[in-house]
Amino acid sequence: AQTVTQSQPEMSVQEAETVTLSCTYDTSENNYYLFWYKQPPSRQMILVIRQEAYKQQNATENRFSVNFQKAAKSFSLKISDSQLGDTAMYFCAFMKHVANQFYFGTGTSLTVIP
Amino acid sequence: DTGVSQDPRHKITKRGQNVTFRCDPISEHNRLYWYRQTLGQGPEFLTYFQNEAQLEKSRLLSDRFSAERPKGSFSTLEIQRTEQGDSAMYLCASSPSRAKGEQYFGPGTRLTVT
Repeated sequence: AQTVTQSQPEMSVQEAETVTLSCTYDTSENNYYLFWYKQPPSRQMILVIRQEAYKQQNATENRFSVNFQKAAKSFSLKISDSQLGDTAMYFCAFMKHVANQFYFGTGTSLTVIP
Repeated sequence: DTGVSQDPRHKITKRGQNVTFRCDPISEHNRLYWYRQTLGQGPEFLTYFQNEAQLEKSRLLSDRFSAERPKGSFSTLEIQRTEQGDSAMYLCASSPSRAKGEQYFGPGTRLTVT
């Protein structure tokens, strides 16, 4: 079975600062995808960033980047230049390469402080 | 708006009643997913459709739950004889066939069973 662990239930960051959200996972699979999804107070989940396990290069999307450590089964999200609109619940998710279901962590509630 | 839509957004029902939720995926997305999210948890996979075929079902989907996607477009999720433990947010997501794992989520239907 796949498990995803987010050990930081709540975090806060000053506007314009950088914050890192942690995620670890457990799997015996070699080929898989990892994701960070954002769920703002309106509750609609939005994809932030995706990483394919076979790619060694860390994914980046504008202010969002990941630190993917495959051997350590770690997948952290770094948000640079934090903005008030980044306030949301952030979920780390795992999906096997040939599969259709996500395994989500329990989420990290991030608050950006003005 | 061309995103995933769900109806109703909120449903309050008494224990023992039946409820039905609807999901309209993004046009031309042939894959559709249902998840359940309880407070303080990440979404949990319930079931998956490719076109009209229901290809995967979680063990979470008890006999009281049934999902359909009759014409490969919208989907319905029915819960019979609701229990208080069914209170949750029910999320629908869709993806195109060539998606590399990412799914597009709807706003969810919040169910409260009294």
